[in-house]
Amino acid sequence: NAGVMQNPRHLVRRRGQEARLRCSPMKGHSHVYWYRQLPEEGLKFMVYLQKENIIDESGMPKERFSAEFPKEGPSILRIQQVVRGDSAAYFCASSSRGPGNTEAFFGQGTRLTVV
Amino acid sequence: DAKTTQPNSMESNEEEPVHLPCNHSTISGTDYIHWYRQLPSQGPEYVIHGLTSNVNNRMASLAIAEDRKSSTLILHRATLRDAAVYYCILNSGYALNFGKGTSLLVTP
Repeated sequence: NAGVMQNPRHLVRRRGQEARLRCSPMKGHSHVYWYRQLPEEGLKFMVYLQKENIIDESGMPKERFSAEFPKEGPSILRIQQVVRGDSAAYFCASSSRGPGNTEAFFGQGTRLTVV
Repeated sequence: DAKTTQPNSMESNEEEPVHLPCNHSTISGTDYIHWYRQLPSQGPEYVIHGLTSNVNNRMASLAIAEDRKSSTLILHRATLRDAAVYYCILNSGYALNFGKGTSLLVTP
Protein backbone atom coordinates (compact mmCIF):
# COMPACT_ATOMS: atom_id res chain seq x y z
CA ASN A 1 0.00 0.00 0.00
CA ALA A 2 1.76 3.10 -1.22
CA GLY A 3 1.90 6.05 1.13
CA VAL A 4 0.64 9.54 0.42
CA MET A 5 2.14 10.64 -2.88
CA GLN A 6 2.80 14.26 -3.65
CA ASN A 7 4.06 15.64 -6.91
CA PRO A 8 6.04 17.33 -8.00
CA ARG A 9 8.58 17.17 -5.17
CA HIS A 10 10.10 20.45 -6.29
CA LEU A 11 8.41 23.19 -8.28
CA VAL A 12 9.88 26.46 -9.50
CA ARG A 13 7.57 29.19 -10.74
CA ARG A 14 8.11 32.78 -11.80
CA ARG A 15 6.12 35.48 -10.09
CA GLY A 16 2.63 35.70 -11.59
CA GLN A 17 2.49 32.10 -12.79
CA GLU A 18 0.20 29.39 -11.47
CA ALA A 19 1.32 26.52 -9.27
CA ARG A 20 -0.57 23.20 -9.15
CA LEU A 21 0.33 20.78 -6.39
CA ARG A 22 -1.02 17.25 -6.47
CA CYS A 23 -1.71 14.83 -3.65
CA SER A 24 -2.77 11.21 -4.00
CA PRO A 25 -4.01 9.95 -0.63
CA MET A 26 -3.42 6.47 0.65
CA LYS A 27 -5.72 3.85 -0.82
CA GLY A 28 -9.08 3.91 0.87
CA HIS A 29 -8.57 7.31 2.47
CA SER A 30 -11.23 9.90 1.74
CA HIS A 31 -10.01 12.67 4.05
CA VAL A 32 -7.26 15.02 2.84
CA TYR A 33 -5.52 17.89 4.60
CA TRP A 34 -3.12 20.50 3.22
CA TYR A 35 -0.46 22.27 5.29
CA ARG A 36 2.13 24.92 4.50
CA GLN A 37 5.53 25.26 6.13
CA LEU A 38 7.41 28.48 5.55
CA PRO A 39 11.19 28.39 5.91
CA GLU A 40 12.23 28.04 9.56
CA GLU A 41 8.58 28.06 10.69
CA GLY A 42 6.03 25.52 11.87
CA LEU A 43 3.34 23.73 9.93
CA LYS A 44 0.20 25.76 9.32
CA PHE A 45 -3.11 24.11 8.49
CA MET A 46 -4.67 25.31 5.27
CA VAL A 47 -7.65 23.20 4.25
CA TYR A 48 -9.45 19.92 5.01
CA LEU A 49 -11.39 18.14 2.28
CA GLN A 50 -13.48 15.01 2.15
CA LYS A 51 -14.20 13.70 -1.34
CA GLU A 52 -15.66 16.54 -3.40
CA ASN A 53 -16.37 18.64 -0.30
CA ILE A 54 -14.40 21.31 1.50
CA ILE A 55 -14.93 20.70 5.21
CA ASP A 56 -12.70 23.40 6.71
CA GLU A 57 -10.80 26.08 4.81
CA SER A 58 -10.13 28.35 7.75
CA GLY A 59 -6.40 28.36 7.07
CA MET A 60 -6.56 29.18 3.38
CA PRO A 61 -5.59 32.67 2.24
CA LYS A 62 -8.70 34.39 0.93
CA GLU A 63 -7.25 35.13 -2.49
CA ARG A 64 -5.30 33.16 -5.09
CA PHE A 65 -5.48 29.82 -3.25
CA SER A 66 -7.98 27.06 -3.94
CA ALA A 67 -8.21 23.34 -3.30
CA GLU A 68 -10.26 20.49 -4.65
CA PHE A 69 -10.58 16.76 -4.12
CA PRO A 70 -12.62 15.36 -7.02
CA LYS A 71 -14.46 12.07 -7.03
CA GLU A 72 -11.75 10.61 -9.23
CA GLY A 73 -8.11 11.60 -9.12
CA PRO A 74 -5.80 13.38 -6.74
CA SER A 75 -6.44 16.39 -4.56
CA ILE A 76 -5.13 19.61 -6.09
CA LEU A 77 -3.89 22.72 -4.33
CA ARG A 78 -3.83 25.60 -6.79
CA ILE A 79 -2.03 28.87 -6.28
CA GLN A 80 -2.71 31.55 -8.85
CA GLN A 81 -0.39 34.48 -9.59
CA VAL A 82 2.30 33.26 -7.23
CA VAL A 83 4.40 35.73 -5.26
CA ARG A 84 7.75 35.28 -3.52
CA GLY A 85 6.01 34.87 -0.17
CA ASP A 86 4.36 31.68 -1.44
CA SER A 87 7.74 29.94 -1.43
CA ALA A 88 7.35 27.15 1.11
CA ALA A 89 6.98 23.42 1.57
CA TYR A 90 3.42 22.23 1.08
CA PHE A 91 2.43 18.99 2.76
CA CYS A 92 -0.59 16.85 2.20
CA ALA A 93 -1.96 14.29 4.64
CA SER A 94 -4.72 11.73 4.44
CA SER A 95 -6.74 9.67 6.88
CA SER A 96 -9.37 6.94 6.66
CA ARG A 97 -11.68 8.67 9.11
CA GLY A 98 -12.26 12.23 10.17
CA PRO A 99 -9.87 13.89 12.62
CA GLY A 100 -9.91 13.00 16.29
CA ASN A 101 -9.35 9.32 16.99
CA THR A 102 -7.35 8.57 13.88
CA GLU A 103 -3.84 8.88 12.56
CA ALA A 104 -2.95 10.99 9.57
CA PHE A 105 -0.31 10.01 7.04
CA PHE A 106 1.76 12.73 5.45
CA GLY A 107 3.45 12.91 2.09
CA GLN A 108 7.00 14.09 1.52
CA GLY A 109 5.84 17.52 0.44
CA THR A 110 6.19 19.80 -2.55
CA ARG A 111 8.81 22.49 -2.21
CA LEU A 112 7.67 25.55 -4.13
CA THR A 113 10.18 28.20 -5.04
CA VAL A 114 8.97 31.43 -6.60
CA VAL A 115 11.63 33.37 -8.48
CA ASP B 1 -8.34 22.94 19.88
CA ALA B 2 -6.87 23.45 23.36
CA LYS B 3 -3.28 24.61 23.62
CA THR B 4 -0.21 22.54 24.48
CA THR B 5 3.10 23.61 26.01
CA GLN B 6 6.35 21.81 25.22
CA PRO B 7 10.01 22.61 25.89
CA ASN B 8 11.71 24.17 22.89
CA SER B 9 14.50 21.63 22.86
CA MET B 10 15.85 18.55 24.62
CA GLU B 11 18.98 16.54 24.35
CA SER B 12 19.57 12.85 24.86
CA ASN B 13 22.38 10.36 24.56
CA GLU B 14 22.04 7.55 22.11
CA GLU B 15 20.54 4.31 23.46
CA GLU B 16 19.11 6.04 26.52
CA PRO B 17 15.39 6.56 27.19
CA VAL B 18 13.90 9.95 26.38
CA HIS B 19 10.89 11.47 28.12
CA LEU B 20 9.29 14.31 26.18
CA PRO B 21 6.78 16.27 28.29
CA CYS B 22 3.66 18.08 27.18
CA ASN B 23 1.34 20.22 29.28
CA HIS B 24 -2.29 20.69 28.24
CA SER B 25 -4.10 22.07 31.26
CA THR B 26 -7.16 23.20 29.25
CA ILE B 27 -7.77 19.82 27.64
CA SER B 28 -11.42 18.92 27.12
CA GLY B 29 -13.01 15.54 27.61
CA THR B 30 -13.17 14.84 23.89
CA ASP B 31 -9.58 15.83 23.07
CA TYR B 32 -7.31 13.04 21.92
CA ILE B 33 -3.60 13.53 22.62
CA HIS B 34 -1.57 13.05 19.45
CA TRP B 35 2.18 12.96 18.91
CA TYR B 36 3.83 13.47 15.55
CA ARG B 37 7.45 14.03 14.65
CA GLN B 38 9.16 15.67 11.72
CA LEU B 39 12.63 14.64 10.64
CA PRO B 40 14.71 17.20 8.73
CA SER B 41 13.42 17.80 5.20
CA GLN B 42 10.61 15.27 5.58
CA GLY B 43 6.88 15.31 6.13
CA PRO B 44 5.48 14.78 9.62
CA GLU B 45 5.19 11.21 10.83
CA TYR B 46 2.56 9.82 13.18
CA VAL B 47 4.00 8.50 16.43
CA ILE B 48 1.15 7.66 18.80
CA HIS B 49 -2.15 8.92 20.20
CA GLY B 50 -4.44 8.24 23.15
CA LEU B 51 -7.40 9.50 25.12
CA THR B 52 -7.15 8.46 28.76
CA SER B 53 -5.14 5.28 29.12
CA ASN B 54 -1.44 4.84 28.51
CA VAL B 55 -0.63 3.56 25.03
CA ASN B 56 2.25 1.55 23.62
CA ASN B 57 3.25 0.85 20.05
CA ARG B 58 6.40 -0.20 18.25
CA MET B 59 7.70 3.37 18.13
CA ALA B 60 7.00 4.74 21.57
CA SER B 61 4.85 4.83 24.69
CA LEU B 62 2.43 7.54 25.74
CA ALA B 63 1.91 8.14 29.43
CA ILE B 64 -1.16 10.24 30.23
CA ALA B 65 -1.62 11.84 33.63
CA GLU B 66 -4.68 10.81 35.57
CA ASP B 67 -6.18 14.32 35.32
CA ARG B 68 -5.16 14.43 31.62
CA LYS B 69 -3.56 17.83 32.07
CA SER B 70 -0.19 16.53 30.95
CA SER B 71 1.34 13.66 29.03
CA THR B 72 4.78 12.24 28.27
CA LEU B 73 6.06 10.64 25.12
CA ILE B 74 8.62 7.96 25.93
CA LEU B 75 11.21 6.75 23.45
CA HIS B 76 12.66 3.70 25.11
CA ARG B 77 16.08 3.74 23.45
CA ALA B 78 16.93 6.83 21.48
CA THR B 79 18.80 6.40 18.22
CA LEU B 80 20.37 9.02 16.00
CA ARG B 81 17.42 8.57 13.66
CA ASP B 82 15.08 9.82 16.39
CA ALA B 83 16.52 13.34 16.12
CA ALA B 84 13.48 15.36 15.03
CA VAL B 85 10.93 17.94 16.10
CA TYR B 86 8.24 16.27 18.21
CA TYR B 87 4.76 17.77 18.27
CA CYS B 88 2.15 17.19 20.96
CA ILE B 89 -1.30 18.03 19.56
CA LEU B 90 -4.79 17.92 21.06
CA ASN B 91 -7.47 16.95 18.60
CA SER B 92 -11.19 16.51 18.97
CA GLY B 93 -12.45 16.51 15.44
CA TYR B 94 -10.69 19.31 13.64
CA ALA B 95 -7.56 19.17 11.56
CA LEU B 96 -4.27 18.79 13.45
CA ASN B 97 -2.96 22.12 14.71
CA PHE B 98 0.84 21.99 14.95
CA GLY B 99 2.63 24.22 17.46
CA LYS B 100 6.38 24.75 17.73
CA GLY B 101 7.16 21.33 19.15
CA THR B 102 10.29 20.08 20.92
CA SER B 103 13.48 19.74 18.94
CA LEU B 104 15.20 16.57 20.10
CA LEU B 105 18.93 16.28 19.69
CA VAL B 106 20.46 12.82 20.06
CA THR B 107 24.17 12.60 20.61
CA PRO B 108 26.33 9.51 20.12
